[in-house]
Amino acid sequence: DTGVSQDPRHKITKRGQNVTFRCDPISEHNRLYWYRQTLGQGPEFLTYFQNEAQLEKSRLLSDRFSAERPKGSFSTLEIQRTEQGDSAMYLCASSSPTHLTSGANVLTFGAGSRLTVL
Amino acid sequence: AQSVTQLGSHVSVSEGALVLLRCNYSSSVPPYLFWYVQYPNQGLQLLLKYTSAATLVKGINGFEAEFKKSETSFHLTKPSAHMSDAAEYFCAVTPSGGYQKVTFGTGTKLQVIP
Repeated sequence: DTGVSQDPRHKITKRGQNVTFRCDPISEHNRLYWYRQTLGQGPEFLTYFQNEAQLEKSRLLSDRFSAERPKGSFSTLEIQRTEQGDSAMYLCASSSPTHLTSGANVLTFGAGSRLTVL
Repeated sequence: AQSVTQLGSHVSVSEGALVLLRCNYSSSVPPYLFWYVQYPNQGLQLLLKYTSAATLVKGINGFEAEFKKSETSFHLTKPSAHMSDAAEYFCAVTPSGGYQKVTFGTGTKLQVIP
């Protein structure tokens, strides 16, 4: 397994355009998370899926943001009508059932997708 | 809700010196705690985790952390810094029992001076 893959690694767009990021988790991981990281900050939780069900969404996730995981495998995060404040690194992580990790929710992260909105 | 506070956004140590990165947690229920490391242009990697099995937790690359309930702390230490330890370190917390989101601190950037 090659780990968590994210695509694209970098995206530059103009304000008002739509962008979509894709995340391919580790195949046997049933949970998938999206985080956002800005310079000088830690990752901020956006949303997470267990299989194809979206179980929690942060208040940070405005109605311009939508995430899907249609078949319980890869996930997409779409941002509509981008704003300059959306510029950030978007991180995807996945985790396996916790009985395999001493009960802890251990996240495996991808390298991230960096968004720059001009 | 759980949260962690990392004291010091930047820490500089000399090569061979002790590394101490501070993390204090806030939680109404017994938490699980983690340290992750992020090298430039790479994703976050797990260094170590505390899941109540033992208060002193050893991780990769010679790092360890001690859970102190009385001080609500989970500080990360390494006896002797190496140049390759230069990175950003994040403390994180989740309620015990799995299936919960992980909440991260703001990070501490470690600089190692030769």
